[in-house]
This record gives sequence, C-alpha cells and structure tokens, in this order.
Amino acid sequence: EEKLVESGGGLVKPGGSLRLSCVGSGFSFSSNGMNWVRQAPGKGLEWVSSLTSSSSHIYYADSVKGRFTISRDNAKKTLYLEMHNLRVEDTAIYYCARSRGAANWYPFDQWGQGTLVTVSS
Amino acid sequence: QSILTQPPSVSAAPGQRVTISCSGSTSNIGINYVSWYQQFPGTAPKFLIYEDNKRASGIPDRFSGSKSGTSATLGITGLQTGDEADYYCGTWDSSLSIWVFGGGTKVTVL
Repeated sequence: EEKLVESGGGLVKPGGSLRLSCVGSGFSFSSNGMNWVRQAPGKGLEWVSSLTSSSSHIYYADSVKGRFTISRDNAKKTLYLEMHNLRVEDTAIYYCARSRGAANWYPFDQWGQGTLVTVSS
Repeated sequence: QSILTQPPSVSAAPGQRVTISCSGSTSNIGINYVSWYQQFPGTAPKFLIYEDNKRASGIPDRFSGSKSGTSATLGITGLQTGDEADYYCGTWDSSLSIWVFGGGTKVTVL
C-alpha cells in the first residue's frame, strides 16, 4: 500500500521554529516530486512548496519564501519542511503530497493524513 | 483571493448533475493540465481528475473533467449524498513558477 505519513506538528510561539517530516512507503520515493500543501482552519488548500525527484528544482510560495526550507532524503524516503520565524497565519494542517511524476508540475496523486501546526502565544 | 476562481458552492438533487467551473489565465490553465481533488470534512484531499479529463484510479465515471481555453470544468452526474464534499481545481502557473489551487467549491445534495 502506498502511504505518506507526516509528523512533527505541534504548538509553537510566534517567531519559533518547527521541522515537519513525511515518510513515504509502498512506492519508489526517489522517482517522484514531492510537495507540501497547507490548509488553515476553515479555509481552502494553499500550496507551500515543491521539489523535484532529484531536488534539482525547488519552489516556494511567496508567503513562506525565506522562512521555510523544503528538502528530501531519498535514502530515508523522507521529505522535510524546516519552518522558521513562524507567524500566527502559518497555523494550518500541513499535508505532504506526492507528484505523479518526477517534475514539479505533475498533479498530486497521493496525500498524507496531515499534521497540525499551531502558532500561538 | 485565489489565482484560480471557483464558485463557493453548488447544489442539486440526488440523481441530478452538477458542474463546477475553474477559471484561470493563459499562464496556468491556458497552457498546463488541470487536476481536481475531493475533500471530505476532517480528511485529506483525494486525487480525482488529472490531465484535464483523466480519472484517477478507482474514480467512477460519474466524475468527468473538461477544459476550454483558460477555464476547466468538473462534472458530477447521478449525484449521490456521498458526493457532498469540497472540490478543488489545481494547476501549475508557468509565469509565477508556483502551484495554484482554486478556492474550493462545496457540493451540497439537496
């Protein structure tokens, strides 16, 4: 069974940092681009960041550029999101999503269950 | 507001058909494939349609996708109570080099 499992969410104060992880199983992790998508409470989906299968191309939403860093370890089948200088508006469920192919422009065909990040004082 | 525009809600009676529009521009829908996602409350989004009109694995043929110019449409025929969910369109924007989603459309079965 193909699966993505996120972890690392929690409660953090404004200005704080957090590192999210997403472990893939049941598929060839190194063959697919990977992404982070978030959803604030009661709101729609917001794309956060993407990277290609080899990490050769990385993209960020303007709202997180300079504060968040996406990376992957294909040997560990793990995707990461380092989040710094967190703001209240970063509060959301963060989903890890697999691209249907190696490049960033493929659709997201597999999603994790999400991990909740709450930024509050 | 979202770069892709969807109606906030649509509704129809069981067995009827609904369509959800997704309007974009020449830098996103106009030149890239559109995909659609279904999300039930409290759960992760689910892959529904890709490359404008191809159904993901296990998706019934009651769901269909189409595209014309800078707009895409998701259609659901034979509407069932189990189809009540939020639906999102998405695509890559080649000018901004970002992935964009529509604001989402809530489907209600009357």
